Amino acid sequence: KQEVTQIPAALSVPEGENLVLNCSFTDSAIYNLQWFRQDPGKGLTSLLLIQSSQREQTSGRLNASLDKSSGRSTLYIAASQPGDSATYLCAVRPSGGYQKVTFGIGTKLQVIP
Amino acid sequence: GAVVSQHPSRVICKSGTSVKIECRSLDFQATTMFWYRQFPKQSLMLMATSNEGSKATYEQGVEKDKFLINHASLTLSTLTVTSAHPEDSSFYICSARAQGGGSPLHFGNGTRLTVT
Repeated sequence: KQEVTQIPAALSVPEGENLVLNCSFTDSAIYNLQWFRQDPGKGLTSLLLIQSSQREQTSGRLNASLDKSSGRSTLYIAASQPGDSATYLCAVRPSGGYQKVTFGIGTKLQVIP
Repeated sequence: GAVVSQHPSRVICKSGTSVKIECRSLDFQATTMFWYRQFPKQSLMLMATSNEGSKATYEQGVEKDKFLINHASLTLSTLTVTSAHPEDSSFYICSARAQGGGSPLHFGNGTRLTVT
């Protein structure tokens, strides 16, 4: 059974700081991994999707890496802004026919002005 | 980008009534949609996988007669909470995936259900 862990559970940083969020998973047989952000009381917004054959994806100030063999992914946020404050979740989709995605609990990020 | 619209965003109903939540993919066709429930400070709990034109696949412990799912078209899935009770109060979120093996999941904005 796939288990997804996100560390830290919460993080508070001053504005402008670069930061790294971690996601680890127990079963390396994945199809892809996706990072989301969730604002309070809202749904999830897709940030980056990394296919199992890829090592990283970038979008603006965000960079996500994937090391499938070690079961790890990181989300790097450069020059953090107060608007980045949200909960960040990673989700792992398994390889094979079954489509069930496993989510981590998330890292709650607060960027202090 | 791909947009998933979920409606309503909030609903308050009385115990014993039924509530329908709609999930629409606005600019893509979704053969598969997913319904989740989220509890405070917990991860998303998959309730069921909805496939267009066929019966939904429910996760263990989810009552299919209580949570009715209909996926009548490639752009619309509905979740009906029947005979709602206060313990059904929660945040319900749908997601959809476009056709194509490596497509990402896209989520609606969720529905906050409060049963009084």
